[in-house]
Amino acid sequence: QSVLTQPPSVSAAPGQRVTISCSGHGSNIGNNYVSWYQHLPGTAPTLLIYENDKRPSGIPDRFSGSKSGTSATLAITGLQTGDEADYYCGTWDYRLSLGVFGSGTKVTVL
Amino acid sequence: QVQLQESGPGLVKPSQTLSLTCTVSGGSISGGSYYWTWVRQPAGQGLESIGRIHAGGNTNYNPSLKSRVALSVDTSKNQFFLKLSSVTAADTAVYFCARDINGQVLGSPDLYYNIDVWGKGTTVTVSS
Repeated sequence: QSVLTQPPSVSAAPGQRVTISCSGHGSNIGNNYVSWYQHLPGTAPTLLIYENDKRPSGIPDRFSGSKSGTSATLAITGLQTGDEADYYCGTWDYRLSLGVFGSGTKVTVL
Repeated sequence: QVQLQESGPGLVKPSQTLSLTCTVSGGSISGGSYYWTWVRQPAGQGLESIGRIHAGGNTNYNPSLKSRVALSVDTSKNQFFLKLSSVTAADTAVYFCARDINGQVLGSPDLYYNIDVWGKGTTVTVSS
């Protein structure tokens, strides 16, 4: 069972916007930065967002992140078929002294 | 750029030890603040941290697996290793090796934790 909670799936039509929530606790999201990862099965996951809302070079600004309290959100605007993937949130957990991840959310483009 | 590649048996018998190697290319495993980490994903489930090791020897382990996990690093070969003992069917998963870094942003008490390089993962099945 994952430490952080995400919805199993979200979907929208091409061009639309989707948001993915990530819920945690004070020992993790509440007191640490959140990162987000995109994973197409069979490939290496990719860092999408770090320090809550920063994008590594090469990541389009259609992807954005935010954090409030013990929850974080990933938003994808202008949805494209290439965005179909699994998305995971991650952060540090003080209690475990380890990185922890969400349960993953599958994005489907209708 | 740094690339990671997992290798090891795809099938392990129950009660035996799962052994995986991660080979680092395009950069040195030594030095810097990076940790070398193992993450797994059971079928249909989310990601789970197994543990991480710094080239200097410092380690962090998932408390739920700590009694069965051993991590090590060979800087001369630019490789790091995972051993998971007494495996059961519940250990069947895709195993990823990765590079992570965590620390504090200047001016903030909060820690960041990022995995900036991942391997593609290798499937390990525990079955007799």
